[in-house]
Amino acid sequence: QKEVEQDPGPLSVPEGAIVSLNCTYSNSAFQYFMWYRQYSRKGPELLMYTYSSGNKEDGRFTAQVDKSSKYISLFIRDSQPSDSATYLCALKWLSGGYQKVTFGTGTKLQVIP
Amino acid sequence: DAMVIQNPRYQVTQFGKPVTLSCSQTLNHNVMYWYQQKSSQAPKLLFHYYDKDFNNEADTPDNFQSRRPNTSFCFLDIRSPGLGDAAMYLCATSSALGNEQFFGPGTRLTVL
Repeated sequence: QKEVEQDPGPLSVPEGAIVSLNCTYSNSAFQYFMWYRQYSRKGPELLMYTYSSGNKEDGRFTAQVDKSSKYISLFIRDSQPSDSATYLCALKWLSGGYQKVTFGTGTKLQVIP
Repeated sequence: DAMVIQNPRYQVTQFGKPVTLSCSQTLNHNVMYWYQQKSSQAPKLLFHYYDKDFNNEADTPDNFQSRRPNTSFCFLDIRSPGLGDAAMYLCATSSALGNEQFFGPGTRLTVL
């Protein structure tokens, strides 16, 4: 079993839809939870960062963490064609004195005008 | 603008021919990372530098080496590329271990 599971998609939605992107994880040592967005032929960029269970909102984006279920989500409201990208969850944990990051495989999202 | 720059953006090499990928940063960050990302896969950390301290991931093949001559530059050397090394190579930096990582645009390596 992989430490982090993420459905690779692709996920196609019409413009204006609410998008739900999810990751599950198996390691209770993960302490911090992040979402990165990666446009085609670009490096990932950090979208959201959270460390506690519950919701964190930033504009059209909401990150949700459920530590008891080991489940994290990213919701995108009023999705736009410019949101078309691959979304990677990333989980941070302490290993050998270092904080390490484990990425999910990414979900490719296409928002259709 | 402060940024992470990778050169070249696309690199083609022949099987077994050494290749060097370059990363530079204007963020003055202490930590620099190299990741390998294959199609539809998660970025896989190869190694990182904390200042001059080099940290190799346990499963990084010996074929991959890195140099960091100064704070701004970091190089990835692939001594004898195989077909399985074709991938996107991402450089990232952070101000400290565990802090937000800033990624470069990547170098796409093709091995013929």
